[in-house]
Amino acid sequence: NAGVTQTPKFQVLKTGQSMTLQCAQDMNHEYMSWYRQDPGMGLRLIHYSVGAGITDQGEVPNGYNVSRSTTEDFPLRLLSAAPSQTSVYFCASRGGLSGTDTQYFGPGTRLTVL
Amino acid sequence: GENVEQHPSTLSVQEGDSAVIKCTYSDSASNYFPWYKQELGKRPQLIIDIRSNVGEKKDQRIAVTLNKTAKHFSLHITETQPEDSAVYFCAANSGGGADGLTFGKGTHLIIQP
Repeated sequence: NAGVTQTPKFQVLKTGQSMTLQCAQDMNHEYMSWYRQDPGMGLRLIHYSVGAGITDQGEVPNGYNVSRSTTEDFPLRLLSAAPSQTSVYFCASRGGLSGTDTQYFGPGTRLTVL
Repeated sequence: GENVEQHPSTLSVQEGDSAVIKCTYSDSASNYFPWYKQELGKRPQLIIDIRSNVGEKKDQRIAVTLNKTAKHFSLHITETQPEDSAVYFCAANSGGGADGLTFGKGTHLIIQP
């Protein structure tokens, strides 16, 4: 199993550009989520999904959209990038919908918005 | 929502000594408390976790304790080694479970040779 994969690893955008961060998992996990990590801030939840067709907002959802058309994929879209979205983005998944299941992280995407 | 406080932000210990990192949480319904280790430029990796039905869990040199009454939990690393140098994050689940994890701001652990 590849586990949780993310592409790209690095990305530089100009203010106002849009892009999609890709996330995929091959563990048949129902629950997937996106976090952003900023220096000194820990990881903060952006959006999550408990299954195909179901998404919900986390702590910091503004400026981001998600969709979940398949169990495997959970892309994160930036519609109009802003410098405040410069961050490292981690996708994560867990096997069950119970909050006590182990969560696994992808390798991350480092995004810079100029 | 859940709020997780983590202390200290930086911890420097001599190789071979013990290290303790402490976290408090606010949501009394939280019942899952993982600890992640993150090396520079890498993803967070789960090192140990504890669920609210136990007070302590140990895995070789690493242990976690949980005090639900006081709403705090701690990570203990004994006989520290250079490879233990990293940033450590505590986390707690939100009471409903589906809402994901709330993380502390991290502790930079430095092992001095």
